[in-house]
Amino acid sequence: DAGVTQSPTHLIKTRGQQVTLRCSPISGHKSVSWYQQVLGQGPQFIFQYYEKEERGRGNFPDRFSARQFPNYSSELNVNALLLGDSALYLCASSSTNSPLHFGNGTRLTVT
Amino acid sequence: GQQLNQSPQSMFIQEGEDVSMNCTSSSIFNTWLWYKQDPGEGPVLLIALYKAGELTSNGRLTAQFGITRKDSFLNISASIPSDVGIYFCAGQDTGGFKTIFGAGTRLFVKA
Repeated sequence: DAGVTQSPTHLIKTRGQQVTLRCSPISGHKSVSWYQQVLGQGPQFIFQYYEKEERGRGNFPDRFSARQFPNYSSELNVNALLLGDSALYLCASSSTNSPLHFGNGTRLTVT
Repeated sequence: GQQLNQSPQSMFIQEGEDVSMNCTSSSIFNTWLWYKQDPGEGPVLLIALYKAGELTSNGRLTAQFGITRKDSFLNISASIPSDVGIYFCAGQDTGGFKTIFGAGTRLFVKA
């Protein structure tokens, strides 16, 4: 069975640009969560979506937004990129009250 | 906000030694999780704990959910070189809408 898939794997953007990251959950999982992992730190919670509705939001600015589609895939958008947005962005899927299963992430570099 | 304090930050051990790491929180969690992350990959679930006092094993790994629901530990017995990586604890709130991660314990194993 396919695990969580994320695209692209790597991305380089310039300050001020916008970026869209994509995630496909494990088949049967209806919940998708997004995390930001800066080098040397643990994953920081950004959003959780369940059945296309936002169920949780971390302490991130409004430049970060996300959505979930009817097939449960998800996109994370970041506007007006800053150098500090450079990080590994992880997507995880889960079924109800179950642990998160992560993809391998998208490495975003902002120059 | 919720925070997890994970210790130690790093460990340097000889192959064959046992390892112990722990995680504490100021908040109560309903689920404690332990993940391992290898370079260039997303975190992989090792053990999930669902009940206070629960002790669960997965091969050479053993983890316990603290009786106060504010702490957990992970033990690795007879370490091997492939145990090298970053180990994260994580606490999941009611409903599983938010999972908070510790900063990680970096394990180095010398053959």
